[in-house]
Amino acid sequence: DIVMTQSPLSLPVTPGEPASISCRSSQSLLYSNGHNYLDWYVQKPGQSPQLLIYLASNRASGVPDRFSGSGSGTDFTLRITRVEAEDVGVYYCMQAQQTPQTFGQGTKVEIK
Amino acid sequence: EVQLVESGGGLVQPGGSLRLSCAASEDTFRNFWMHWVRQVPGKGLVWVSRIDKDGSGASYEGSVKGRFTISRDNAKNTLHLLMNSLRAEDTAVYYCVGGSGTILEHWGQGTLVTVSS
Repeated sequence: DIVMTQSPLSLPVTPGEPASISCRSSQSLLYSNGHNYLDWYVQKPGQSPQLLIYLASNRASGVPDRFSGSGSGTDFTLRITRVEAEDVGVYYCMQAQQTPQTFGQGTKVEIK
Repeated sequence: EVQLVESGGGLVQPGGSLRLSCAASEDTFRNFWMHWVRQVPGKGLVWVSRIDKDGSGASYEGSVKGRFTISRDNAKNTLHLLMNSLRAEDTAVYYCVGGSGTILEHWGQGTLVTVSS
């Protein structure tokens, strides 16, 4: 199975400041079609998870443009340009290049 | 946007069986690959299984392979997960998720499965 490793696991942030989360995979997520099968999800307190970014860099419908995803191969990054209070939650990366699809451990984003 | 509602969770003894269901609000259900993802309360997300649009192909996470069976009824906009030989480590909230292929776009609210004597 592909192992997904996120860092940091805890991220205290100041509103208005930028934030970034790293996700590394044990194998390349770049498929022969040119897509990286890496998605980002967020689970806000008391809610079900929701899709943020798919195929490494595509924002899901309704996701604010302060969120962006980048990377290729085995190294990926989720960035928030200016954190807002509503962004608190646990952020997960997930690979879908191979079955089973596997998640990272999660990064808890909280306001300082 | 499609709404997904899970049902069928509850308390079951080790070795027992349970069938989860997920009802979709729209006929767009038939256009989605469907997945089950579980989460032990307070812990991370674990992908469990998926089934393609017409039900002809299914995949499973290793620890559930041979014990769980995913199925769908597109005429009834319903997804199922039959769980046999349940173990304490299967205790979790089970989410029904739909999307374009492997992308987990639409999530249900989850149903809690507790395996305990």
